[in-house]
Amino acid sequence: QSVLTQPPSASGTPGQRVTISCSGSSSNIGSNTVSWFQQLPGTAPKLLISDDDQRPSGVPDRFSGSKSGTSASLAISGLQSEDEADYYCAAWDDSLNGYWVFGGGTKLTVL
Amino acid sequence: QITLKESGPTLVKPTQTLTLTCTFSGFSLTTIGAGVGWIRQPPGKALEWLALLYWDDDKRYSPSLKSRLTITKDTSKSQVVLSLTNVDPVDTGTYYCAHRGWGRKSWTFDYWGQGILVTVSS
Repeated sequence: QSVLTQPPSASGTPGQRVTISCSGSSSNIGSNTVSWFQQLPGTAPKLLISDDDQRPSGVPDRFSGSKSGTSASLAISGLQSEDEADYYCAAWDDSLNGYWVFGGGTKLTVL
Repeated sequence: QITLKESGPTLVKPTQTLTLTCTFSGFSLTTIGAGVGWIRQPPGKALEWLALLYWDDDKRYSPSLKSRLTITKDTSKSQVVLSLTNVDPVDTGTYYCAHRGWGRKSWTFDYWGQGILVTVSS
């Protein structure tokens, strides 16, 4: 069971806007920034969003991140077929000696 | 350009020790702030963070696996090695190493290796 909670699945049609949530606690999302990773089928994860809402160079502006309290969200606007992938949130957790925690992942299907 | 690549055995027997090597380029683990992490993914399941090694040799481990994990570095070879003792079939999965990089205001895993699929079976 993952420390960060994500819905197992999400879906949308081309052109739509979809949102994926990530819920944590005061020791992780509540006190540290959130990263989002995209994992296309059969490939390694790729950094999509860092620092809650920052897109690395090369990531389309259709992808956006936000955070409020102990929850974060990833929004994808203008959905495209190539966005069909698994999405993971992650954050540093300050408890114990400090460690990274990931969400359980959300499989996005483009209908 | 930062690249990382995992190497090691693809088949390990239960109770053995799994040793994986991450060979990287494009950065140095002697640079202040640098780090390399390991993350694994059982088939069809979620990512699970395992360990992180910092430039100053500080280390962090997953609380649930801490007793079985060891992470070390060989700076001269640009390598980070992860060892997992007493493996079990539940340790089967793809193991990734990743670069700890600075975003705009905090750290993240900004570059990942391609991963290596390890199967634990007798």
